[in-house]
Parts: sequence; C-alpha cells; structure tokens
Amino acid sequence: GESVGLHLPTLSVQEGDNSIINCAYSNSASDYFIWYKQESGKGPQFIIDIRSNMDKRQGQRVTVLLNKTVKHLSLQIAATQPGDSAVYFCAENIWRAKLTFGTGTRLTIIP
Amino acid sequence: DVKVTQSSRYLVKRTGEKVFLECVQDMDHENMFWYRQDPGLGLRLIYFSYDVKMKEKGDIPEGYSVSREKKERFSLILESASTNQTSMYLCASSFAVLNTGELFFGEGSRLTVL
Repeated sequence: GESVGLHLPTLSVQEGDNSIINCAYSNSASDYFIWYKQESGKGPQFIIDIRSNMDKRQGQRVTVLLNKTVKHLSLQIAATQPGDSAVYFCAENIWRAKLTFGTGTRLTIIP
Repeated sequence: DVKVTQSSRYLVKRTGEKVFLECVQDMDHENMFWYRQDPGLGLRLIYFSYDVKMKEKGDIPEGYSVSREKKERFSLILESASTNQTSMYLCASSFAVLNTGELFFGEGSRLTVL
C-alpha cells in the first residue's frame, strides 16, 4: 500500500552540529511535501515545504531535499539548538489538501 | 496569526459514552481536518471537510462521525466511545487552494476512554 515512512524513529545530535532527518515515500503521484515540527504538548507546526518540480529548498537553518528517483525526502537542520528538540514529521500531498503523514522522528539535542 | 482552537485539552470518558470534540478556526479556511495521533503510528486522518455541510472519510473513519454546520467549526463525534479510541486528537485547517497543503493545527485533545 501507499506509505510515508521514516528510516529512524530517534536521532540524537550534539548542540551546534547539523542534523539530517530522512523520510521515504512510495506514491510516485505525490506532488507536494511538507515537514512539520511537533514540540511536546503542542500541535504540529509547519517548517518547510517543497513541490515535486524542485529538488531542494532552503529556509532559515533548514533545507529540504527531494530525490524523486528513489522517493526520498530529507530535512537538514543546520547548527542545531536546544529548541530544535521535537518530533519531526514528513507529509505528502496526493490529492487536494489531504496529507498523509509519516510516523515521525524524535530529535534530541544534546547540550 | 491563524488560530485553531480545540475546546478540550484533556477528556476522560467511559466506554459507551457519546463524545464531542469541538474545533474552531478563525482564518476563514475552507478545509478542516481531524487526525488522531498514536505513538509509532504518526497522524492518521479520520475525516475532513472542504466546505460547510461537506465531509469526506479519511483513512480511519470507523467509529467516528463529523459535523460542519458553520465554516469555522468542525466537530468530531464518537457515538459510543471505546477504549481503542483513547488517543490524541488533532484538528487542522487550511486554505482551499489545490496543492497547497500547509495545515494549521490546534493544540490537540487528549482523550482517555475507561
């Protein structure tokens, strides 16, 4: 079946280092991808998005890479800070505004 | 800022009770969604709505129903709560523009069914 999944459920990174969170998707018809960040006790918040006609998009300290050949999405966070500790979800859009979410990766920043 | 407000942060109900989860958004968004979030399973779509009185089933609609009588309000209803519906429920809204999927989420409602 169709799925959006993550390679690793947890990731620990030293403060100041860069982190990379990966996501695999299986629906080749997906045309829009989003990364969300969810802090403890809060709802998910939008970080960055990318359309299928792009392979890279940069934001403030974050970069999303899309490899359609292998159906892989990654989120890179530069110079991680304690406030980056959260669960990160990738999501794919196949139809209208309906998103399918991955299972999430918990990122822990080690001081 | 967009605000999505879920009426209850924490609820405890008994098996068989009827449960209402309310969600209100203040940005005149056309689309509204209900997800449930469980550890290791991520967010799964229960129901969504593209317009007033419109509803569409998501991936796990069984045991749930929804109501959208006004554009700003989307209610999730558990007709007869069961213990396997213990979960975190997240409401979200978005603009209607096709392929613009950014969702704005509420803080969540944690439901425990005893």
